[in-house]
Amino acid sequence: GENVEQHPSTLSVQEGDSAVIKCTYSDSASNYFPWYKQELGKRPQLIIDIRSNVGEKKDQRIAVTLNKTAKHFSLHITETQPEDSAVYFCAASTETDSWGKLQFGAGTQVVVTP
Amino acid sequence: NAGVTQTPKFRVLKTGQSMTLLCAQDMNHEYMYWYRQDPGMGLRLIHYSVGEGTTAKGEVPDGYNVSRLKKQNFLLGLESAAPSQTSVYFCASSYFPVGTGVVKEQYFGPGTRLTVT
Repeated sequence: GENVEQHPSTLSVQEGDSAVIKCTYSDSASNYFPWYKQELGKRPQLIIDIRSNVGEKKDQRIAVTLNKTAKHFSLHITETQPEDSAVYFCAASTETDSWGKLQFGAGTQVVVTP
Repeated sequence: NAGVTQTPKFRVLKTGQSMTLLCAQDMNHEYMYWYRQDPGMGLRLIHYSVGEGTTAKGEVPDGYNVSRLKKQNFLLGLESAAPSQTSVYFCASSYFPVGTGVVKEQYFGPGTRLTVT
């Protein structure tokens, strides 16, 4: 089955700096890669996703890049703000035959210090 | 719309007791999922359902049972709780728009914090 590894497990950044989280996946058939943000005590919420037919996607201060050959994808947060502090999870899925099942990474605790 | 709701929010069980967690969604989603979240391990899929009356095992199904008698509800049961089942449980739902070939994002409930002593 699919295995997703996520690094780093914790990330401390100064407000205004950039943050990068990297994930690798094992199943070359995976073609959908969402990122979820979970604030303390809250539910995970989708912040951005990318499908295998594109290499990069941006939404304001966040972007995701995908390297299918190397089987890794990354989340980039620019101009970090205190409200970006949360746990971020990457995930991978094979959309066409997995019933939407997601394999999650272990998560990255991001702390943005003023 | 309430989205995805879970009952109860918190529960403490003694080893060997049983309980049922209820997940309800009002978005008419076909797919529903139960996850458990443990520190440093991300979200792990317990069971899932692709429609009313159907269920399937996920990554960590042992010790749990599920039922999907109504499209809007997905129940997770623990027949004989063990301390290893202490966790935060999340339910999620999703849908598959006809003709698109893709499954849309998963919407999560607020979670149930379960402690087994």
